[in-house]
Amino acid sequence: AQTVTQSQPEMSVQEAETVTLSCTYDTSESDYYLFWYKQPPSRQMILVIRQEAYKQQNATENRFSVNFQKAAKSFSLKISDSQLGDAAMYFCAYRSEPDMRFGAGTRLTVKP
Amino acid sequence: DGGITQSPKYLFRKEGQNVTLSCEQNLNHDAMYWYRQDPGQGLRLIYYSQIVNDFQKGDIAEGYSVSREKKESFPLTVTSAQKNPTAFYLCASSALAGASWTGELFFGEGSRLTVL
Repeated sequence: AQTVTQSQPEMSVQEAETVTLSCTYDTSESDYYLFWYKQPPSRQMILVIRQEAYKQQNATENRFSVNFQKAAKSFSLKISDSQLGDAAMYFCAYRSEPDMRFGAGTRLTVKP
Repeated sequence: DGGITQSPKYLFRKEGQNVTLSCEQNLNHDAMYWYRQDPGQGLRLIYYSQIVNDFQKGDIAEGYSVSREKKESFPLTVTSAQKNPTAFYLCASSALAGASWTGELFFGEGSRLTVL
């Protein structure tokens, strides 16, 4: 079964600085999707960014970008110019039909 | 607006009682999912369904039951057999894999169940 590991239970960043959240996964499949979801205090799960495994180019969404290393099975999230509203739980997720597997999450604190 | 509606948002239950959590979606998605969230453990899959009248167990199905009588609805019953039911429950939906599939799960706002 596929597993997703987030080795950083908590991270902290100064406002306007850059932070990187780590994620590794284990799979024997070649075709899959990877995601980062954000869960603010409201607990609503919000999609941050998505990466298709067959694409070599790293996905980017405004201040959010990923470093996808397929051979190493690594999928880190970089948040640039951190804002107070970025404070949340961040979950890394692996998707291959029929379901999605999540890591344990990283709690990000943003200091003003 | 299209989305997923979960109810109730908060629910209290006495030990030995069954409770049912509602999940309705108007996204025309074929697949629906129930996840349980506990502190420090991320989201764990309870049940999922890819078609009406059919569903599959996830990793932690014991003590739970589901039904899928309509495409839009996927209620979860937490039975008295669930030994530690206090948790946050999230319902999600997605399209099935196809030409324009993004793989994304869309989530409801969750239901917090507390056993007294």
